[in-house]
Amino acid sequence: DQQVKQNSPSLSVQEGRISILNCDYTNSMFDYFLWYKKYPAEGPTFLISISSIKDKNEDGRFTVFLNKSAKHLSLHIVPSQPGDSAVYFCAASTGNQFYFGTGTSLTVIP
Amino acid sequence: NAGVTQTPKFRILKIGQSMTLQCTQDMNHNYMYWYRQDPGMGLKLIYYSVGAGITDKGEVPNGYNVSRSTTEDFPLRLELAAPSQTSVYFCASTYGPGTGWVYGYTFGSGTRLTVV
Repeated sequence: DQQVKQNSPSLSVQEGRISILNCDYTNSMFDYFLWYKKYPAEGPTFLISISSIKDKNEDGRFTVFLNKSAKHLSLHIVPSQPGDSAVYFCAASTGNQFYFGTGTSLTVIP
Repeated sequence: NAGVTQTPKFRILKIGQSMTLQCTQDMNHNYMYWYRQDPGMGLKLIYYSVGAGITDKGEVPNGYNVSRSTTEDFPLRLELAAPSQTSVYFCASTYGPGTGWVYGYTFGSGTRLTVV
């Protein structure tokens, strides 16, 4: 049973515009949420995280929003750059592990 | 600082063969993990370890074995390889709940395994 879901397999955005990637989860016990970025033939790399006690965390061009009542997480990238083109995974933790979504492939068009 | 190192990067196995995927980390992380990623799917947890001598099953452990004799190394053993084990395998490590959860896992670059 998929506890973390990314319902959009792909997203295309013009350079300079905002990219919004979405993630839904089912387990109310999740305590940390993360976004990872993955380029082809590389392992995922950590991008940004948020604790379940917060609703927003910002790091430069990247902002993560958490809506606990809706069990929804989103990543905003502003402004989007061609180098942001990658697969983005959301992940949520409980106990000793993180659970991952299936990923969204972002393409930023120059 | 090498981080998490996985070897080999690529491997082709015949059905029924066995092999060990190597994973080592130099960050003194207590927690280590093995995930597999199939096309169009998320990362599925195979096994994990919260410290030397301690291992536990994840979501998809069948056909695999692990050991953790040192903090640094966490090898994954495939016995009697099957086509269903064709996948990309990622090893990861972290300090664990608390600081580790704020920064998540550090992943290796992956091993692409094909079973024919």
